[in-house]
Amino acid sequence: GAVVSQHPSWVICKSGTSVKIECRSLDFQATTMFWYRQFPKQSLMLMATSNEGSKATYEQGVEKDKFLINHASLTLSTLTVTSAHPEDSSFYICAGTLQETQYFGPGTRLLVL
Amino acid sequence: GEDVEQSLFLSVREGDSSVINCTYTDSSSTYLYWYKQEPGAGLQLLTYIFSNMDMKQDQRLTVLLNKKDKHLSLRIADTQTGDSAIYFCAESITAAGNKLTFGGGTRVLVKP
Repeated sequence: GAVVSQHPSWVICKSGTSVKIECRSLDFQATTMFWYRQFPKQSLMLMATSNEGSKATYEQGVEKDKFLINHASLTLSTLTVTSAHPEDSSFYICAGTLQETQYFGPGTRLLVL
Repeated sequence: GEDVEQSLFLSVREGDSSVINCTYTDSSSTYLYWYKQEPGAGLQLLTYIFSNMDMKQDQRLTVLLNKKDKHLSLRIADTQTGDSAIYFCAESITAAGNKLTFGGGTRVLVKP
């Protein structure tokens, strides 16, 4: 139980385009989902907390207009990287919360050329 | 403030026990977690311990919590080559919306 999927698993895009990443909780309802990014050989950095039906809460230093988060249902949250630049290349991981524990998706590797 | 620290690297021979250590600073932690990350993958929850517990055992995994010293450890018995990965400890505080604060990760290499 507590399986989280992400789509796509990897994406390559041109600079200036927007990329949408989906995060789904497959066998549970996640009222709260978290979005992280991870640079090579580093730990996870929390970007934002997403609650179903309300606006996401962004961590300090994360641009909300650049990283658009939508949590339209209890099983789906999306992260859209707008006007992507090469420095946005990273590994993006989401997590859904079940009984106070976070269960992570497999991650999405984004490469911006 | 919140700060979680781990050693960077651990090398162990197959069949031996591995012990990964973690220290944290926030005494109001509610839960403490151990996650495993294999190359190119997301994080797999291994085990967790509630802050009012001292020890938790789950098959080959033993978690020890010293709340006084704010020290958490994960022992893996009979370490296998498939245990090679990065291990993250993390703390969460219920009152802070269950946000996780992660350590930097310990890379465990199991040698045959």
